[in-house]
Amino acid sequence: NAGVTQTPKFQVLKTGQSMTLQCAQDMNHNSMYWYRQDPGMGLRLIYYSASEGTTDKGEVPNGYNVSRLNKREFSLRLESAAPSQTSVYFCASSPFSWQPQHFGDGTRLSIL
Amino acid sequence: AQSVTQLGSHVSVSEGALVLLRCNYSSSVPPYLFWYVQYPNQGLQLLLKYTSAATLVKGINGFEAEFKKSETSFHLTKPSAHMSDAAEYFCAVSDPHTGANSKLTFGKGITLSVRP
Repeated sequence: NAGVTQTPKFQVLKTGQSMTLQCAQDMNHNSMYWYRQDPGMGLRLIYYSASEGTTDKGEVPNGYNVSRLNKREFSLRLESAAPSQTSVYFCASSPFSWQPQHFGDGTRLSIL
Repeated sequence: AQSVTQLGSHVSVSEGALVLLRCNYSSSVPPYLFWYVQYPNQGLQLLLKYTSAATLVKGINGFEAEFKKSETSFHLTKPSAHMSDAAEYFCAVSDPHTGANSKLTFGKGITLSVRP
């Protein structure tokens, strides 16, 4: 029972490099989310997809793009990584947007 | 707009003592409310949820929370803390009445430490 799977688990990038974080869920959920978590800042929503075919900006979308590839997969892309994007990134999914979210184990990203 | 306030960033209790983590919400309509737990180097796990049924909600690991509309609160409690309860706890609120655009709003989180 995989739930929400994020790849990779760890990544180190140099400033200016690009990177795509992958997320897949096997629960047939409609809604998917990308968060970043920084010390003292809690969870901040980057982008979300309420249903397949739709994406919307969250609280901190600058510097990121997303693709809802199909119902299962929701990727997050950093086009030109900056040190301020060093963080732990979590993907989550839920049956519908107002219902509880299920989280992946996170991707720890360091940008030098 | 909905919001959640978790006062303080850190709570420390002795093993066997009562755990009380506070959460106050703001919502213009009857909300759904959630508590999540995050252990080190892991994602968030759902502890319990309130979805307009019983106001006292029991969750996993002996935790429970009570929805109090008059106080706009949803505090998390556990009668007797265990060392394994040391983690970060997040309260979240959602509005189930606005359809596809409704999503969870999380509080800042509170770290629980348990002293031997």
